[in-house]
Amino acid sequence: DVKVTQSSRYLVKRTGEKVFLECVQDMDHENMFWYRQDPGLGLRLIYFSYDVKMKEKGDIPEGYSVSREKKERFSLILESASTNQTSMYLCASSLTGVGENIQYFGAGTRLSVL
Amino acid sequence: EDQVTQSPEALRLQEGESSSLNCSYTVSGLRGLFWYRQDPGKGPEFLFTLYSAGEEKEKERLKATLTKKESFLHITAPKPEDSATYLCAVDIYNFNKFYFGSGTKLNVKP
Repeated sequence: DVKVTQSSRYLVKRTGEKVFLECVQDMDHENMFWYRQDPGLGLRLIYFSYDVKMKEKGDIPEGYSVSREKKERFSLILESASTNQTSMYLCASSLTGVGENIQYFGAGTRLSVL
Repeated sequence: EDQVTQSPEALRLQEGESSSLNCSYTVSGLRGLFWYRQDPGKGPEFLFTLYSAGEEKEKERLKATLTKKESFLHITAPKPEDSATYLCAVDIYNFNKFYFGSGTKLNVKP
């Protein structure tokens, strides 16, 4: 079974703090993704990576950065957390290619910024 | 602009009352359409992938179908444990990312 593990289920941070969200997958997937999910807005892509040290901006990258130093690990960084970044954060991974590019998700991290 | 729209936003059914959820899309170059189930406080769980118009896939009480403009998730004789939010997503050629709909929240009453 594919396993995508997010390091924390719940986080509470203060405005202005630097926040790290970690994601690890165990299936040797090339692609990894970070989404945020808000009521009524669905899943919105923040960043994705298709290889080690490679990254691409998604639809809402402002206020976020990412790091992928190893194939299995993809980190999302909030440089200076703000209250409007309170959300559910979801990590996913996938292979490349038609018939193989199913995205598998972690359990999510619910972040509250106070 | 590429878009994925799901309807209805919420659906309440009695146990055993069959219905369908809709996912319509306006994208160029569809590579695949995906259905996921999401329980409260959890990540989406993969259900089906559909690649071409006319294709159908089934799993227990769920059946997904695809046309050139939309997909349906048919739920036959649902049970309370089918209560969840159902998400659809489309994958487009030349991109490695999905476009997600906002989901349909299904509530099945015993």
